[in-house]
Amino acid sequence: DIQMTQSPSSVSASVGDRVTITCRATQDISTWLAWYQQKPGKAPELLMYAASSLQSGVPARFSGGGSGTDFTLTISSLQPEDFATYYCQQANSFPLTFGGGTKVEIK
Amino acid sequence: QITLKESGPTLVKPTQTLTLTCTFSGFSLSTSGVGVGWIRQPPGKALEWLALIYWNNANHNNPSLRNRLTITKDTSKNQVVLTITNMDPVDTATYYCARLRSSGVNWFDPWGQGTLVTVSS
Repeated sequence: DIQMTQSPSSVSASVGDRVTITCRATQDISTWLAWYQQKPGKAPELLMYAASSLQSGVPARFSGGGSGTDFTLTISSLQPEDFATYYCQQANSFPLTFGGGTKVEIK
Repeated sequence: QITLKESGPTLVKPTQTLTLTCTFSGFSLSTSGVGVGWIRQPPGKALEWLALIYWNNANHNNPSLRNRLTITKDTSKNQVVLTITNMDPVDTATYYCARLRSSGVNWFDPWGQGTLVTVSS
């Protein structure tokens, strides 16, 4: 199985800050990576797919990058509605696996 | 508009079999490339993929659940059913169904609202 490790597990930041979350896979997954945002009590929502493609309707302050084993999700200027937990997911092979999540909290 | 909604029991006893139904609208599981999956999330924990079924009835299960999972579809009813045998308290979680975003790629959009299942005697 491909293990996905996210760091940090949590980050405290202020509105307007730039925040970067990393996701590392235990083997090469090319760009078969998605990012999801989950707010408390809600279902996850797809943010990014194919590592760097923005899902329709997602603000351009979100960006993704990386390939192979190392990936990043960056929020260029944190907004109040961005405080949430973010998960990466590899879609390279079965079983599909998610990272442990990164909680973005208000500083 | 694509929507999915999970339904099933909110409480099951240990050793019982859980049956969850995902009822969807806005797409057909008879269309080439379409797939629906199940993902769960224990309280306060991360997401775990469980199973996936495609339009052509091909399917994949998470081997970590050791043959406890069965996923089936009823195209005429626009439903996907997940059964999990021998439920245990560690299976307490919110269970989500979700559609594959597009053909040939196994990421999920959109998701249902989820249903919380508690396993307790």
